[in-house]
Amino acid sequence: DQQVKQNSPSLSVQEGRISILNCDYTNSMFDYFLWYKKYPAEGPTFLISISSIKDKNEDGRFTVFLNKSAKHLSLHIVPSQPGDSAVYFCASHTGTASKLTFGTGTRLQVTL
Amino acid sequence: DTAVSQTPKYLVTQMGNDKSIKCEQNLGHDTMYWYKQDSKKFLKIMFSYNNKELIINETVPNRFSPKSPDKAHLNLHINSLELGDSAVYFCASSQGQYGNQPQHFGDGTRLSIL
Repeated sequence: DQQVKQNSPSLSVQEGRISILNCDYTNSMFDYFLWYKKYPAEGPTFLISISSIKDKNEDGRFTVFLNKSAKHLSLHIVPSQPGDSAVYFCASHTGTASKLTFGTGTRLQVTL
Repeated sequence: DTAVSQTPKYLVTQMGNDKSIKCEQNLGHDTMYWYKQDSKKFLKIMFSYNNKELIINETVPNRFSPKSPDKAHLNLHINSLELGDSAVYFCASSQGQYGNQPQHFGDGTRLSIL
């Protein structure tokens, strides 16, 4: 039973354009949502997070939107750069046990 | 000055052997984790320790035994290795257990069982 889903395994975007990565979840008890970026042979690196009581959080080129009624969140990267090419994981946090549930990732390729 | 370091980076061994993976963090965090990323790239929590106390054990077989000698270290020992144990194992740490404290990951240990 996959509680966090990233339905697009891959995405290709031109440099300078907007990248939109999507994530759906089923558990209403998640209190935080996080995005991680992962390069090959490295561990995931934290990118940005959002509390379940917010609907938007912005950090530089990265913005995360949360739609609680739809149980959906998205990561926007504007403008996209070649260095953004990586696998992006959506993760949802459960209560005080500090448990992260990850999606299966979306591979973003930013082309010149 | 790596924040979360795991050793070894690669581990190739035969079925039935016992092996250990070590993890150390120099971030001063009080919570550490082990995750398993399987062949389908699904990253799943195995264990979590807070101040050397086990707080999460996600129905992992008894052959897996974590050990936290102090807050900065969380090692993973695996007995009687099986083919299905082949995966990438990630160690992570965070300050506290709340969602607004992101977890920092090591670069992973790729375990291959022959």
